[in-house]
Amino acid sequence: QKEVEQDPGPLSVPEGAIVSLNCTYSNSAFQYFMWYRQYSRKGPELLMYTYSSGNKEDGRFTAQVDKSSKYISLFIRDSQPSDSATYLCAMSGDSNYQLIWGAGTKLIIKP
Amino acid sequence: NAGVMQNPRHLVRRRGQEARLRCSPMKGHSHVYWYRQLPEEGLKFMVYLQKENIIDESGMPKERFSAEFPKEGPSILRIQQVVRGDSAAYFCASSAGRTGSTSDTQYFGPGTRLTVL
Repeated sequence: QKEVEQDPGPLSVPEGAIVSLNCTYSNSAFQYFMWYRQYSRKGPELLMYTYSSGNKEDGRFTAQVDKSSKYISLFIRDSQPSDSATYLCAMSGDSNYQLIWGAGTKLIIKP
Repeated sequence: NAGVMQNPRHLVRRRGQEARLRCSPMKGHSHVYWYRQLPEEGLKFMVYLQKENIIDESGMPKERFSAEFPKEGPSILRIQQVVRGDSAAYFCASSAGRTGSTSDTQYFGPGTRLTVL
């Protein structure tokens, strides 16, 4: 079993829809949770960062962490075609640098 | 402010040759990380370096792979005697390395895509 599980998709939704992306994990020591966006042939770009549990909002993006369920989510409101990309979750424990990654979910926003 | 730079962007090598991948961190960053990404898989941590020091190489294969970050110049990931299984995208990230901070954001370069024939 992988330490971080993420549905590879693709997830296809119409423009303007609310998108929900999720990851589950098995290591209860994880404390730092990130969401990265990766366009084709590009490097990952940090979208959201959360420490421990709770919610964090930044514009159209909301990240949620539920440590009791070992489950994290990224919500995208008013989705745009430019949001089409692969979204990767990443997390780490005490080290704060050795990130453990999900495989990524490919998201397609249809105009 | 230039971001993390990696070169070459694409590298083709025949089995048994050496591959050298270069990474120049963002201005002001002294911490460098290397990751490998196989198709349809997440990134895998390989090594964490500071200037002239290897901090954590627990993700590096024990043989054929080495990394350095000299006092001057870019960080180098070297793969000797490449095999077909080394074909992947190799990403470098850098951070400012704020000691004691709960957040030390890693910024990624565009990657080097290595193809071994």
